[in-house]
Amino acid sequence: DTEVTQTPKHLVMGMTNKKSLKCEQHMGHRAMYWYKQKAKKPPELMFVYSYEKLSINESVPSRFSPECPNSSLLNLHLHALQPEDSALYLCASSQDMAKGETQYFGPGTRLLVL
Amino acid sequence: QQPVQSPQAVILREGEDAVINCSSSKALYSVHWYRQKHGEAPVFLMILLKGGEQMRHEKISASFNEKKQQSSLYLTASQLSYSGTYFCGTENSLASGNTGKLIFGQGTTLQVKP
Repeated sequence: DTEVTQTPKHLVMGMTNKKSLKCEQHMGHRAMYWYKQKAKKPPELMFVYSYEKLSINESVPSRFSPECPNSSLLNLHLHALQPEDSALYLCASSQDMAKGETQYFGPGTRLLVL
Repeated sequence: QQPVQSPQAVILREGEDAVINCSSSKALYSVHWYRQKHGEAPVFLMILLKGGEQMRHEKISASFNEKKQQSSLYLTASQLSYSGTYFCGTENSLASGNTGKLIFGQGTTLQVKP
């Protein structure tokens, strides 16, 4: 089973709202990732958690706040977003952050900021 | 540092072959290939590791030339289901500053027509 699940599938929010994206995997993977993907562009890495600790933050604005409550769950808290933050947000997981590990992507959350 | 993919787009008839190239300016440890259909998440196809063998997934195969820092994806006897955007993701070698991140190329759009 190589399934990564994400909720919600779609989200519309205003610039003053607070919302959260959720990601879950039950493959025993110890590395989890958040990517942002704009239309017709490749995924861009935002954050990486390794063994539940934040390992990489790609200079993401503080209006995005990641959280890893346990080894199976990854959240992305959103607050005061801008319309340009509208995108597909992808979660991925891999066995760990070691070299050559395959990343498996979830179906994504399509976010629209009004 | 982003790998360069070529061509940017290709249109095929069913049964025709195609090659997609991925080239990096950095020494690489691994190359990962994904296919993404419109509105869906990237789906893992295969991974090529430094010193590894050429990989195959059904009628899709790939090679990795470490010296040239290039990888090629070969699609043989293309099917309608092969349509989508193909991304390579590269992982730098330790000598090139491996940070455990995948960096994705800009993508190659493949359209297979009946």
